[in-house]
Amino acid sequence: EAQVTQNPRYLITVTGKKLTVTCSQNMNHEYMSWYRQDPGLGLRQIYYSMNVEVTDKGDVPEGYKVSRKEKRNFPLILESPSPNQTSLYFCASSFSGAQETQYFGPGTRLLVL
Amino acid sequence: AQSVSQHNHHVILSEAASLELGCNYSYGGTVNLFWYVQYPGQHLQLLLKYFSGDPLVKGIKGFEAEFIKSKFSFNLRKPSVQWSDTAEYFCAVTGSSYKLIFGSGTRLLVRP
Repeated sequence: EAQVTQNPRYLITVTGKKLTVTCSQNMNHEYMSWYRQDPGLGLRQIYYSMNVEVTDKGDVPEGYKVSRKEKRNFPLILESPSPNQTSLYFCASSFSGAQETQYFGPGTRLLVL
Repeated sequence: AQSVSQHNHHVILSEAASLELGCNYSYGGTVNLFWYVQYPGQHLQLLLKYFSGDPLVKGIKGFEAEFIKSKFSFNLRKPSVQWSDTAEYFCAVTGSSYKLIFGSGTRLLVRP
């Protein structure tokens, strides 16, 4: 089944404790991106990747890192999480860019205490 | 800077009522426009999209949207909503291959 998977689905952590949210797609998509969803703000893009080893900042990259060592995986790293990063995170992928249909993962709900 | 505005944050309708959700965008060039939907407990999924051609676009589940270039709008419509249309709806726009801008979303509740 074609899908985007994220892990974990739910995470509670404390300020400053490094964490990684994984994202994987099995559709051979070149484009992948991360969003955060906050009430009243919709989805805001954190980072995107056009292909392996090609990543760039979205609108809200502060406090986040990404890597794209393999085509299928695009992990989101929070080196030192803070409470303002409490949010719902979505990973998405598409064949070649933002202008195409995005396939979203199920979301990761993060609470930073 | 690109932006997308969805003016209705919460909409409550009775079944069989007609629906129109507003979406306005700010972008000077050629755009691609989307409506995504998030049903309770499910992934975000594409409802419909506009790239070029006929400005009236039909999507899944009886939804349609009209692109009015002069008004920078891409409103979503459905003639008769069902309880199963209860969801959050997001308008999105891109003028490039790398960045997709979403609106703040509209929560629709359809009462049986």
